[in-house]
Amino acid sequence: GNSVTQMEGPVTLSEEAFLTINCTYTATGYPSLFWYVQYPGEGLQLLLKATKADDKGSNKGFEATYRKETTSFHLEKGSVQVSDSAVYFCALRVQRSGYALNFGKGTSLLVTP
Amino acid sequence: DGGITQSPKYLFRKEGQNVTLSCEQNLNHDAMYWYRQDPGQGLRLIYYSQIVNDFQKGDIAEGYSVSREKKESFPLTVTSAQKNPTAFYLCASSQTAQVYGYTFGSGTRLTVV
Repeated sequence: GNSVTQMEGPVTLSEEAFLTINCTYTATGYPSLFWYVQYPGEGLQLLLKATKADDKGSNKGFEATYRKETTSFHLEKGSVQVSDSAVYFCALRVQRSGYALNFGKGTSLLVTP
Repeated sequence: DGGITQSPKYLFRKEGQNVTLSCEQNLNHDAMYWYRQDPGQGLRLIYYSQIVNDFQKGDIAEGYSVSREKKESFPLTVTSAQKNPTAFYLCASSQTAQVYGYTFGSGTRLTVV
């Protein structure tokens, strides 16, 4: 089946540290891959996406590269800020189930001053 | 501005009652989705609809019902048959193709009292 595995949190970093959140996936066919961010008490916001192998999605200093050979889509940021504290979800989308997104369990990030 | 609106933001339900959560979008999206979010479990798909007057069960549909009489609206009813309804409910909409991400509402937090 289709599934997403994320590193478990919480992840605690100091401001300006380098961030990596690992994400690997299992899918039939060729999925599109997404990272979403959720701030406390809110819905999810699309952070970035990649729709085919070797694509790099980027937004607000975050990047992730679609690696088909390792079935991975790791999220990175060179210098985190306190305002990046949130929960991050990796997700894939395929034709199954009406193109419903399959989500990982989320990784909580806390950035301290 | 286009968007997706969920209401109410907070909802309290007594044991044995049915409650309906509202979800409205003005993005002209064909597909709409309901997810349930519990701490540490990520998002789980309840129901989805790709077209008006048609909807499909997701992974955890038991105890829930939906309707899709209008393209803009996809209400979710949490019935008394749902054994553990306390959760955060998220509605989303999208174009029906895997290259697109979702737009999420801000969620409804349901608590059984």
